[in-house]
Amino acid sequence: TAGITQAPTSQILAAGRSMTLRCTQDMRHNAMYWYRQDLGLGLRLIHYSNTAGTTGKGEVPDGYSVSRANTDDFPLTLASAVPSQTSVYFCASSDGGDHEQYFGPGTRLTVT
Amino acid sequence: GEDVEQSLFLSVREGDSSVINCTYTDSSSTYLYWYKQEPGAGLQLLTYIFSNMDMKQDQRLTVLLNKKDKHLSLRIADTQTGDSAIYFCAETPPTGYKLIFGSGTRLLVRP
Repeated sequence: TAGITQAPTSQILAAGRSMTLRCTQDMRHNAMYWYRQDLGLGLRLIHYSNTAGTTGKGEVPDGYSVSRANTDDFPLTLASAVPSQTSVYFCASSDGGDHEQYFGPGTRLTVT
Repeated sequence: GEDVEQSLFLSVREGDSSVINCTYTDSSSTYLYWYKQEPGAGLQLLTYIFSNMDMKQDQRLTVLLNKKDKHLSLRIADTQTGDSAIYFCAETPPTGYKLIFGSGTRLLVRP
């Protein structure tokens, strides 16, 4: 199994443009998460989804939206990117009965 | 409130023991975790401990939990150069499966 895949690996985006970061898992996990990682701040939760059809806000949700139309996919959309959204974005998933979160390889986003 | 704190950097000599420390504020946390991040990669779970345990040992890894002081530590015995990475402490509040991460400790192992 591939686990969690993210696309693209990296992207340079002009401020004001929109972009969707893709995340797909093949483990049939109920819960999925989006984090951003910034130097000195660790990982901060942006949005999460406990099950398909539901989403919730994390610690830093402003400027981001998510959807969970099915179990496998959890895309993250930046409607109008700003330079402060330059970061490394990690998608993760977990099974409801297992607390371990499995992480994707990350997407490095630079907003200019 | 929920907050997890770690020191930013630790340097040790190969073969020595490493101790990475973490403090947390949410006394109701049910699980506490240590994740490892190698350069350019995502995070991988190293080990975790239930909040009702004091210690957990897994090969070269020893986790100590002091609930009174809300202090968690990870000891790596016989540290190797392959252990060089960023180590994140994390806690899970009793509601839901969200993780609250510390800022990470960068471990550098010198030959």
